[in-house]
Amino acid sequence: NAGVTQTPKFQVLKTGQSMTLQCAQDMNHNSMYWYRQDPGMGLRLIYYSASEGTTDKGEVPNGYNVSRLNKREFSLRLESAAPSQTSVYFCASRPGDWQPQHFGDGTRLSIL
Amino acid sequence: GEDVEQSLFLSVREGDSSVINCTYTDSSSTYLYWYKQEPGAGLQLLTYIFSNMDMKQDQRLTVLLNKKDKHLSLRIADTQTGDSAIYFCAESGSGGYNKLIFGAGTRLAVHP
Repeated sequence: NAGVTQTPKFQVLKTGQSMTLQCAQDMNHNSMYWYRQDPGMGLRLIYYSASEGTTDKGEVPNGYNVSRLNKREFSLRLESAAPSQTSVYFCASRPGDWQPQHFGDGTRLSIL
Repeated sequence: GEDVEQSLFLSVREGDSSVINCTYTDSSSTYLYWYKQEPGAGLQLLTYIFSNMDMKQDQRLTVLLNKKDKHLSLRIADTQTGDSAIYFCAESGSGGYNKLIFGAGTRLAVHP
């Protein structure tokens, strides 16, 4: 059982390039989330999708867009990457309200 | 607003008990969680506690919740070198779809 799978694991971009981070879960979970992790700041929510067909902004949505392609997949897009978006990005999913979130292994993104 | 605070670093000797503390601000949080992150990996759910409980025990892990003081602790008995990691406290917070609010994480170092 793979759980939450993120691709790619590592990526280096130049300022202004675009990129889509992929996330897929095989647990039939309803809700999916994108976080970024920066040193000393814990995880901050970028966007979430409560169910297939819906997406909402989190704490730090500026510079990002998301797509909930189907129940399994939730992608995060950087249209014009900036050095401030250098971070580790985590995708998570949960089956429903009050259930714990399950995390992928992260995508380490550097923007030069 | 919602906020979660943790001390950033804890050093313990192998075989001793570790106690990681966390304070949170949102009294409406229904669940509180502890996640573990090993280097280069994602977040692994360790345990969680419902807000109407005072204590939860799971093998070497004991979670204590003082709802009056909004204080959560994680005790690891007989700490081993494999317990070296970053530990995140998170609260379910208020608002929709149980978005998690994370602390900055406590780095636990276990030495011989």
